[in-house]
Amino acid sequence: AQSVTQPDIHITVSEGASLELRCNYSYGATPYLFWYVQSPGQGLQLLLKYFSGDTLVQGIKGFEAEFKRSQSSFNLRKPSVHWSDAAEYFCAVGGGRDDKIIFGKGTRLHILP
Amino acid sequence: EAGVTQFPSHSVIEKGQTVTLRCDPISGHDNLYWYRRVMGKEIKFLLHFVKESKQDESGMPNNRFLAERTGGTYSTLKVQPAELEDSGVYFCASSQEPLSGAFFGQGTRLTVV
Repeated sequence: AQSVTQPDIHITVSEGASLELRCNYSYGATPYLFWYVQSPGQGLQLLLKYFSGDTLVQGIKGFEAEFKRSQSSFNLRKPSVHWSDAAEYFCAVGGGRDDKIIFGKGTRLHILP
Repeated sequence: EAGVTQFPSHSVIEKGQTVTLRCDPISGHDNLYWYRRVMGKEIKFLLHFVKESKQDESGMPNNRFLAERTGGTYSTLKVQPAELEDSGVYFCASSQEPLSGAFFGQGTRLTVV
């Protein structure tokens, strides 16, 4: 069955520190992978997506993610976080004939000043 | 360019009442999706429209939920009668191409008391 696992429900980092949010997926074919962010009071915003090609994907707001097929992972990274990055982050997978996107449960990021 | 717009942003209704949520997708986007996030759970797919046709409604929880997209523009999601377990945030998303990374609205927070 298709699934997405985000093992960390909450993560706290200091402003300026590096960040890595973990995501593992289970999918029967080549997946389409996404990271979305939801800031307080906002909708879901697409940070980046991977369909094929270069496994290191650059997104908006200085985020990047690396697709590792051997590990079934698509971790999100940022070299230096800003207070405005405090939000909830969702990893998602899609690509089946049914066109659904399956979301992980989300990781809430807290930033210490 | 206007984004995906959802109305209302919040709704509090009593059990047994009817509520209608509306979604205005980005102009020109044929694909329209409804998702729901129940508190503490992951965001789950409800259904997918291509223009005015339901492409996939496998995620609709039961027959108390009715989605329409007359004319292939805006969509409505009606819950009748509402139950306590229907509480959550309902997201609408639209895209030009399937799985291209949909644009999400801010969501409608529905509370059934």
